[in-house]
Amino acid sequence: NAGVTQTPKFRVLKTGQSMTLLCAQDMNHEYMYWYRQDPGMGLRLIHYSVGEGTTAKGEVPDGYNVSRLKKQNFLLGLESAAPSQTSVYFCASTGTGAIFYEQYFGPGTRLTVT
Amino acid sequence: SQELEQSPQSLIVQEGKNLTINCTSSKTLYGLYWYKQKYGEGLIFLMMLQKGGEEKSHEKITAKLDEKKQQSSLHITASQPSHAGIYLCGADFLRDDKIIFGKGTRLHILP
Repeated sequence: NAGVTQTPKFRVLKTGQSMTLLCAQDMNHEYMYWYRQDPGMGLRLIHYSVGEGTTAKGEVPDGYNVSRLKKQNFLLGLESAAPSQTSVYFCASTGTGAIFYEQYFGPGTRLTVT
Repeated sequence: SQELEQSPQSLIVQEGKNLTINCTSSKTLYGLYWYKQKYGEGLIFLMMLQKGGEEKSHEKITAKLDEKKQQSSLHITASQPSHAGIYLCGADFLRDDKIIFGKGTRLHILP
């Protein structure tokens, strides 16, 4: 099992450009999450999904969109990138009945917006 | 998140020394999670605490949750270089399928 994988690992964007980050998991997990990690800010939840076809907003959803068309994939989109979106993005997944279950994290995507 | 406060923000200890990291919640939580992150990598799950007064250990790391379920401590005994990294606590407050994380504690181990 590959676990949770993220594509790409690194990306540099110019302000106003768009991009999609892909998260894939092979553990048949129902729940998937997108976080961003910034120095001094810890890990903040952007959006999450409790199953195929569902999405919900987290703590910092503005400027991002997500889709969960397939159970194994969770996409994070930036329609018009801004320098404030420079961050490290982590995807995570967990099994059915997420309460009290551990989350499995991907290796992260480092995004720089110039 | 302001709902979870971790202290200290940064910690430097000599190899072999014991240390404690604290995580305090502004309200009662349903589940408390401890994760470790090696610099530049993703998070690794350490332990999860559910019940007031619960204590769990894994190798040289022990985590406790107080009776009121608002404060947790992570204790490392006889620290080693492999313990270096960022430790984050996360909490499930509302049984609403998501975990809110603290800002993390950076741990450095001096040889």
